[in-house]
Amino acid sequence: DAGVTQSPTHLIKTRGQQVTLRCSPKSGHDTVSWYQQALGQGPQFIFQYYEEEERQRGNFPDRFSGHQFPNYSSELNVNALLLGDSALYLCASTSLFYSGNTIYFGEGSWLTVV
Amino acid sequence: SQQGEEDPQALSIQEGENATMNCSYKTSINNLQWYRQNSGRGLVHLILIRSNEREKHSGRLRVTLDTSKKSSSLLITASRAADTASYFCAPYGSGNTGKLIFGQGTTLQVKP
Repeated sequence: DAGVTQSPTHLIKTRGQQVTLRCSPKSGHDTVSWYQQALGQGPQFIFQYYEEEERQRGNFPDRFSGHQFPNYSSELNVNALLLGDSALYLCASTSLFYSGNTIYFGEGSWLTVV
Repeated sequence: SQQGEEDPQALSIQEGENATMNCSYKTSINNLQWYRQNSGRGLVHLILIRSNEREKHSGRLRVTLDTSKKSSSLLITASRAADTASYFCAPYGSGNTGKLIFGQGTTLQVKP
């Protein structure tokens, strides 16, 4: 049983460009959340997708958007990249059907904006 | 807030010693989850303790939860160099939102 998988693992983008990160949740999970983790900080919640809709959103600008597909996989899109967007982007999955279920994280995608 | 606050921020011990990390939070919870993060890697789930549990063990890990004090602790016994990592606690609120709010974590260094 594969856990949470993310791609790509590393990427470098130029300021102003757009990036798409991808996530496949753990088998049996229907809820995907995205987190941003800057160096030396704890992960910060970006948003959560359930039933293909954004259910919750953290304090991130509209440049950050996402999508969830019928197979529960998800994408995170960031437009007009800023140097400050350089971070580790983590995807997490769980099943909201089971209240208080374990939340699993992927290995993350390292984004460097130059 | 639901955020977990870890203490201490940094901990340095010798291999073989025990390491204790503490976590405090402010709201009622459904459960509390502990994670480990090796440098530059993703978060690895260590243990989940439910609000009606007081203590839980997993290998060399022992987690306690005191809901009256809104605090939890993670004890790693007989530490190894491979335990060197950052550790985060994540309170899971009673609203079943599936959302975790992290503090800055405890950075543990285990010296060989």
